[in-house]
Amino acid sequence: ETGVTQTPRHLVMGMTNKKSLKCEQHLGHNAMYWYKQSAKKPLELMFVYNFKEQTENNSVPSRFSPECPNSSHLFLHLHTLQPEDSALYLCASSQEWGGASSYNEQFFGPGTRLTVL
Amino acid sequence: GDSVTQMEGPVTLSEEAFLTINCTYTATGYPSLFWYVQYPGEGLQLLLKATKADDKGSNKGFEATYRKETTSFHLEKGSVQVSDSAVYFCALRGPTETSGSRLTFGEGTQLTVNP
Repeated sequence: ETGVTQTPRHLVMGMTNKKSLKCEQHLGHNAMYWYKQSAKKPLELMFVYNFKEQTENNSVPSRFSPECPNSSHLFLHLHTLQPEDSALYLCASSQEWGGASSYNEQFFGPGTRLTVL
Repeated sequence: GDSVTQMEGPVTLSEEAFLTINCTYTATGYPSLFWYVQYPGEGLQLLLKATKADDKGSNKGFEATYRKETTSFHLEKGSVQVSDSAVYFCALRGPTETSGSRLTFGEGTQLTVNP
């Protein structure tokens, strides 16, 4: 248990559906992250929020829409996804974005396994 | 840009065998280096880290030494256990002023340890 929870753990959706992934951290952190983990590819950083402000968007298609209402919660809203978007979506948090590495370890949640039909 | 290259898997060993998973990197400046482990059905956990050249990170019997001259950070363990079966990721973090807290990951190496 890392202090970062994600729901749902598994999600199957059609290409026309709209769904949301939720992440919650209980660590008092100020930075939260969305990563995409696909088979045989390195983890891809998608979005970063620092003190509720989006600081990174790594050219992610607009069918993925993040939301960070407060420092403890992060959402990823999904709509009109493609089959190639099927992957494990990981949420992480750290003390802050850009802090010294000695105390700025990223803690990961267990992920949401997404399948797009 | 920064990049991390790990040895291809999967790696299959017998219990008590010696483990090496190779990791090399390309980065500007002086990155911090990390090994993360992902057990089945779980997220990534930090296994060990090293923040400057010649540092040795260690945890749970695993070790890795930051070698700047060879730009490497190979993971080793003298005697693996079945419970070490997992996917191992090498990662780097560049200078904070240019990279923030961005982690660049390798592709991961699947380790299976048989009894």
